[in-house]
Amino acid sequence: NAGVTQTPKFRILKIGQSMTLQCTQDMNHNYMYWYRQDPGMGLKLIYYSVGAGITDKGEVPNGYNVSRSTTEDFPLRLELAAPSQTSVYFCASSPQGAILVYSSPLHFGNGTRLTVT
Amino acid sequence: GENVEQHPSTLSVQEGDSAVIKCTYSDSASNYFPWYKQELGKRPQLIIDIRSNVGEKKDQRIAVTLNKTAKHFSLHITETQPEDSAVYFCAASPGTYKYIFGTGTRLKVLA
Repeated sequence: NAGVTQTPKFRILKIGQSMTLQCTQDMNHNYMYWYRQDPGMGLKLIYYSVGAGITDKGEVPNGYNVSRSTTEDFPLRLELAAPSQTSVYFCASSPQGAILVYSSPLHFGNGTRLTVT
Repeated sequence: GENVEQHPSTLSVQEGDSAVIKCTYSDSASNYFPWYKQELGKRPQLIIDIRSNVGEKKDQRIAVTLNKTAKHFSLHITETQPEDSAVYFCAASPGTYKYIFGTGTRLKVLA
């Protein structure tokens, strides 16, 4: 299994441009997430999905959109990029555990480093 | 709101010494507590986790302890090595596939 694959690894955008960060997982995980990590900081949740066709906002959703048309793919769309969106973006997935009351570990992709100038 | 406080933000130890990182959570419904290690420029990776029905879990040089009454959980690394140098994140999850992360601890192991 490749796990969670993110593309591109690096990207430089000009203010006002748009782009889509791709994320795909081959582990048949129900749950998928997008986090951003600013330099020297922790992880902030942008959006998450509990299954195909279902998405929901996290802590910092403004300026972003997502879709989940398949179990495998969870792309993150940036519209009208702003310098405040300069960050490292991590996609993650987790399976539904055997014991439903407990969450399962997150599996992270390698990240996309985005700079908006 | 829900949050996880993590201390210290930076920690320097001599090689061979122990390191302890502490987290406190606010949501009493939290029942799953993972710890992630992130090396410079890399993705966070799970190193150990604990569920609320267990007070302590150990994996070689790494252990996690949980005090549900005080809403504290801690990461213990014994016999530290230079390759333990990284940023460590704790998280708490209330079982709804929601994770609240701490702000991270930068651990430096001095040779």
